[in-house]
Amino acid sequence: SQQGEEDPQALSIQEGENATMNCSYKTSINNLQWYRQNSGRGLVHLILIRSNEREKHSGRLRVTLDTSKKSSSLLITASRAADTASYFCATDSAGNNRKLIWGLGTSLAVNP
Amino acid sequence: DAGVTQSPTHLIKTRGQQVTLRCSPKSGHDTVSWYQQALGQGPQFIFQYYEEEERQRGNFPDRFSGHQFPNYSSELNVNALLLGDSALYLCASSHQAGPKEKLFFGSGTQLSVL
Repeated sequence: SQQGEEDPQALSIQEGENATMNCSYKTSINNLQWYRQNSGRGLVHLILIRSNEREKHSGRLRVTLDTSKKSSSLLITASRAADTASYFCATDSAGNNRKLIWGLGTSLAVNP
Repeated sequence: DAGVTQSPTHLIKTRGQQVTLRCSPKSGHDTVSWYQQALGQGPQFIFQYYEEEERQRGNFPDRFSGHQFPNYSSELNVNALLLGDSALYLCASSHQAGPKEKLFFGSGTQLSVL
């Protein structure tokens, strides 16, 4: 079953613009992660935010977490064509961090 | 430092056949998880292996089985293949004693069942 739901499902922007993707989840979590996937191949870890954190930054990435609303957002600033990929959120569940539960992903296209 | 490697990259099978997929974890990692990703979907957790034992299993039938070897590499076996088993199969590794939440993924095996 899918835990997270990302929106939008697809996003198309121009290079230099910011891209914002959202993720909602259903159960209590220890942490939430964002991953990137190019062309249906392996996933690459981008950033992890713990349930007691509200915001985290990594380079051009900014992640927020609102546990009261069970939602997170990923902001990519000053986007580049190379950021074109699918982005997934993944959550563990409190008490069981052995498996991750994934959303359906947001497909981002950054046009040059 | 070798990352996670999976083989083969592509595979075509027919219904009813059996398939074995292989994974070597990132150097220093001892835990391997397998995921199935259907087209347009997020990954679905199949199972996780640590110390050569299955530690956690997702909602997959017994046709899906696995193994972990003493060198931490792992195999995923699927018996009696169905058309619906067509998907990208991803292997991810981590270290039990480390930040195991962060997974390192291989490039996957694309399985097509005809």
